[in-house]
Amino acid sequence: QVQLVQSGAEVKKPGASVKVSCKASGYTFTSYGISWVRQAPGQGLEWMGWISAYNGNTNYAQKLQGRVTMTTDTSTSTAYMELRSLRSDDTAVYYCARAPLLVSPSGYWGQGTLVTVSS
Amino acid sequence: QSVLTQPPSVSAAPGQKVTISCSGSSSNIGNNYVSWYQQLPGTAPKLLIYDNNKRPSGIPDRFSGSKSGTSATLGITGLQTGDEADYYCGTWDSSLSAKVFGGGTKLTVL
Repeated sequence: QVQLVQSGAEVKKPGASVKVSCKASGYTFTSYGISWVRQAPGQGLEWMGWISAYNGNTNYAQKLQGRVTMTTDTSTSTAYMELRSLRSDDTAVYYCARAPLLVSPSGYWGQGTLVTVSS
Repeated sequence: QSVLTQPPSVSAAPGQKVTISCSGSSSNIGNNYVSWYQQLPGTAPKLLIYDNNKRPSGIPDRFSGSKSGTSATLGITGLQTGDEADYYCGTWDSSLSAKVFGGGTKLTVL
């Protein structure tokens, strides 16, 4: 069965960076992309970007351009999302989700990783 | 402010039917497929509807989706207390070159 298992909760100070991992299993990793979506406390869903696990092509949300980097390690079927220059409003649950194409919906989601940014 | 507009909340009695609307524009709903997600408290979103009106395997036919012009609708019949959740619509926005979501609708089953 398809599973996406994310790394554990993180607490970071403003200005620091965080790297969240998402380990995939149960399917051919390179046949799909991975979207990253975040959800601030009590708020809605915000799309952060998408990466092709086939060729590493990325597409980032404009508001995060320059601060976010998405990568994959095909040898371990793991996707990563790094966010730099963290601010308090980056506090959120970060989800990875399988998405075949950039515009595709996500049928499988990770369990979420809470990132708290606080001084 | 979300690109897609949903009502903040809807409610209905067990066994009844409810609809949740999602309004957008020609750059998103008007020219792209719509999907719907259910998010139970404290859990990750779950895909309910994709490509406007298709259900993934395992999603009961109590859930339905439709699209007309720049609006989409999620319908839920035979409401159960377990349907209490937040529901989000989503689609691609060709002008923003980004995936966009509605602000979410909280369903209460009275």
